[in-house]
Amino acid sequence: RKEVEQDPGPFNVPEGATVAFNCTYSNSASQSFFWYRQDCRKEPKLLMSVYSSGNEDGRFTAQLNRASQYISLLIRDSKLSDSATYLCVVPYSGTYKYIFGTGTRLKVLA
Amino acid sequence: SQTIHQWPATLVQPVGSPLSLECTVEGTSNPNLYWYRQAAGRGLQLLFYSVGIGQISSEVPQNLSASRPQDRQFILSSKKLLLSDSGFYLCAWNPGGTDTQYFGPGTRLTVL
Repeated sequence: RKEVEQDPGPFNVPEGATVAFNCTYSNSASQSFFWYRQDCRKEPKLLMSVYSSGNEDGRFTAQLNRASQYISLLIRDSKLSDSATYLCVVPYSGTYKYIFGTGTRLKVLA
Repeated sequence: SQTIHQWPATLVQPVGSPLSLECTVEGTSNPNLYWYRQAAGRGLQLLFYSVGIGQISSEVPQNLSASRPQDRQFILSSKKLLLSDSGFYLCAWNPGGTDTQYFGPGTRLTVL
């Protein structure tokens, strides 16, 4: 099992739709989790951090399920500008390293 | 405010030539610094990280090296580039004591 696993997609959704992606992680000791957004040929940018059960920021909600070892990202009322790759990142417990998922690609269609 | 700079933004180099990529962070002290590489259509691969001046941890044995001559400066080097070194090189930092990473704008390297 990969340390951090994401469905690569693409998820093609119409504008205004609600879409959710999951990210599974293998290290049960992980305490913090991050979602980054990466546009084509650009650097990843922090979208949300998750330290306990979840986090919400406008149209974006991140949830943590420790029992099943996954985090999810929910995007409501999708905009064309939400089209990007969403990376799940988990700090490697007890080290200074981070484990990155390969990303989930989202395309919001007009 | 805290910012991270990388240069150059793009680079085209012949096989066998040397490489030097620079990353600097402003507005903070004693950051943890990281070099990642992202090949086309792939995930991020950690190359090096540093938690202090002169301290480098290597994750991938290859023809790259890293140095941290100053607190907020991180340099990625190679003596002889290979075709497989092509990719998008990203520098990242996080404030000491926190685990949120922030990325620089990246350097897109093409080795021909």
